[in-house]
Amino acid sequence: DTAVSQTPKYLVTQMGNDKSIKCEQNLGHDTMYWYKQDSKKFLKIMFSYNNKELIINETVPNRFSPKSPDKAHLNLHINSLELGDSAVYFCASSQGDRGINGYTFGSGTRLTVV
Amino acid sequence: SQKIEQNSEALNIQEGKTATLTCNYTNYSPAYLQWYRQDPGRGPVFLLLIRENEKEKRKERLKVTFDTTLKQSLFHITASQPADSATYLCALGGGNDMRFGAGTRLTVKP
Repeated sequence: DTAVSQTPKYLVTQMGNDKSIKCEQNLGHDTMYWYKQDSKKFLKIMFSYNNKELIINETVPNRFSPKSPDKAHLNLHINSLELGDSAVYFCASSQGDRGINGYTFGSGTRLTVV
Repeated sequence: SQKIEQNSEALNIQEGKTATLTCNYTNYSPAYLQWYRQDPGRGPVFLLLIRENEKEKRKERLKVTFDTTLKQSLFHITASQPADSATYLCALGGGNDMRFGAGTRLTVKP
């Protein structure tokens, strides 16, 4: 009955590879997000989608591309992985695009690039 | 540039005492502020929201204050328990997304 589920939980891959992280929410929320949490624990917004439409695209390398096939899913595809991409990536969702009712986060995907 | 600072990386207190965590911000006018709890290996969990026109909010043993003049929020956990040990994040909202502080790791010792 997980509200926001991400797969995989762990991802170890070599530099230069392409990988995807999937996210699904069953809360009926209309906005979904990707956040990156680095080793200093800062949670930084990457992308935000409202009803399948991109509304935030922070300064993120264009190797990162989000895809939202429907409002319950927001996947993150990363091309040509680099060592600096190693971090924990969190998917989140909210009702409304301003998060006033709080965000619901997934449990994260720990990406390690070797 | 916008900055969100949480008072310390780590805070250790004795069980039963009140834990007080601080969140300061600059170059920002949030419409509301939220507090989240994050346990190791898990995503943040929403705890409380306080709006810019509210001074104080309570929920069970939690109390949050919001001073828009000082640009500061205080988060209190009264009668703290070892189970309250976690990292607590403040987040500022009002634009298209929430901006998070780095968090304070609270340890409550029995």
